[in-house]
Amino acid sequence: DIVMTQSPSSLAVSAGETVTINCKSSQSLFGSVRQKNYLAWYQQKPGQSPKLLIYLASTRESGVPDRFIGSGSGTDFTLTISSVQAEDLANYYCQQYYDTPLTFGSGTKLEIK
Amino acid sequence: EVQLVESGGGLVQPGRSLKLSCAASGFTFSNYYMAWVRQAPKKGLEWVATISTSGSRTYYPDSVKGRFTISRDNAKSSLYLQMNSLKSEDTATYYCARHIDVMDAWGQGASVTVSS
Repeated sequence: DIVMTQSPSSLAVSAGETVTINCKSSQSLFGSVRQKNYLAWYQQKPGQSPKLLIYLASTRESGVPDRFIGSGSGTDFTLTISSVQAEDLANYYCQQYYDTPLTFGSGTKLEIK
Repeated sequence: EVQLVESGGGLVQPGRSLKLSCAASGFTFSNYYMAWVRQAPKKGLEWVATISTSGSRTYYPDSVKGRFTISRDNAKSSLYLQMNSLKSEDTATYYCARHIDVMDAWGQGASVTVSS
């Protein structure tokens, strides 16, 4: 199974700051056929179901604000949230879909000071 | 608007069975793979099962293989998860999700508690 390791597990920032969440996979998520990285990011706000933010490592889902930026390739990926807003309070999860079983990172809890 | 509504959750004793349902609307259900993803209390997300558009292919992680069965009824735009031989570690909120490589739409979840 592909193990997804996220860091940090939690962080607290003030509104307006930039946040970086890291995700590392135990093997490369780069698919040679489509030349894409099979990595997604989800946001789960308190009491809500998860919401897709980013797929193919860097493509924002429709309607997702452009302050959410996904980057990385191979085994190392990053979700950057620029100018964090109070509404960004949530848990963030990375997920690989390169191979089954599909696996998620353990999550990063973002708190707003 | 895509809507996924789970039902059928509840309290069940270890070793017993439970069947979850998910009613889909707002999209052509038969055109999409569908999945179940669960989340234990205060824990992260775990993929549980995926089913192809026709239902002919199903996929499971080892943690539920042989105990859980995913199925669908395209005429009713409904997805199901039959859970047998339930264990305490199956206690979780179970989400129905539309699965197109990634899970791009999620239901609100159904809570399942396995306890004597």
